[in-house]
Amino acid sequence: EVQLQESGPGLVKPSQSLSLTCSVTGYSITSNYWGWIRKFPGNKMEWMGYISYSGSTSYNPSLKSRISITRDTSKNQFFLQLNSVTTEDTATYYCARTIWYYFDYWGQGVMVTVSS
Amino acid sequence: DIVLTQSPATLSVTPGESVSLSCRASQGISTSIHWYQQKSNESPRLLIKYASQSISGIPSRFSGSGSGTDFTLSINRVESEDFSVYYCQQSYSLPLTFGSGTKLEIK
Repeated sequence: EVQLQESGPGLVKPSQSLSLTCSVTGYSITSNYWGWIRKFPGNKMEWMGYISYSGSTSYNPSLKSRISITRDTSKNQFFLQLNSVTTEDTATYYCARTIWYYFDYWGQGVMVTVSS
Repeated sequence: DIVLTQSPATLSVTPGESVSLSCRASQGISTSIHWYQQKSNESPRLLIKYASQSISGIPSRFSGSGSGTDFTLSINRVESEDFSVYYCQQSYSLPLTFGSGTKLEIK
């Protein structure tokens, strides 16, 4: 069974970087696409980006140059880094397997608060 | 970006009723729409892919329809476990986008 698990700090200071890890079991990240989605307070959902089986990436232009998604295939993990965070980046962050641009397996989510 | 408008924002129903949730796209997207259910404190669950294709393990009371700009998620005879938030998501073009959600609540 495919399982995903996010991990990372729940509190980040403004202007700092947010770094999260998604650990995948039951499936290799060298197949398919692997993405990050966030849900803001108030229920708005935003696709942030993905990393492909080959390591190529695609990002939401709304995040401009702040975002980076990388991976470690030896550990079957992929990572999110979001730079220069503000309070508007407070959200629950999910990682998900992306099949033809929809999401069939999700992690349980990690709540990240940006506050000083 | 493709904007998805879901309506209504909240739908109050009695268990046993059948309901339809709407998702309208700002431009034609063929059948590139997918539906998710999110219960409180849980991660989203894929219900329907490509407008009407069923997903293994999802109860048959959930069905989807539509193409172009107008899409519908139908729940035949709502059960107590169905009260949650439902989202549509388009995969027609990047960036991938979601609707704002419809909350299904008990009347």
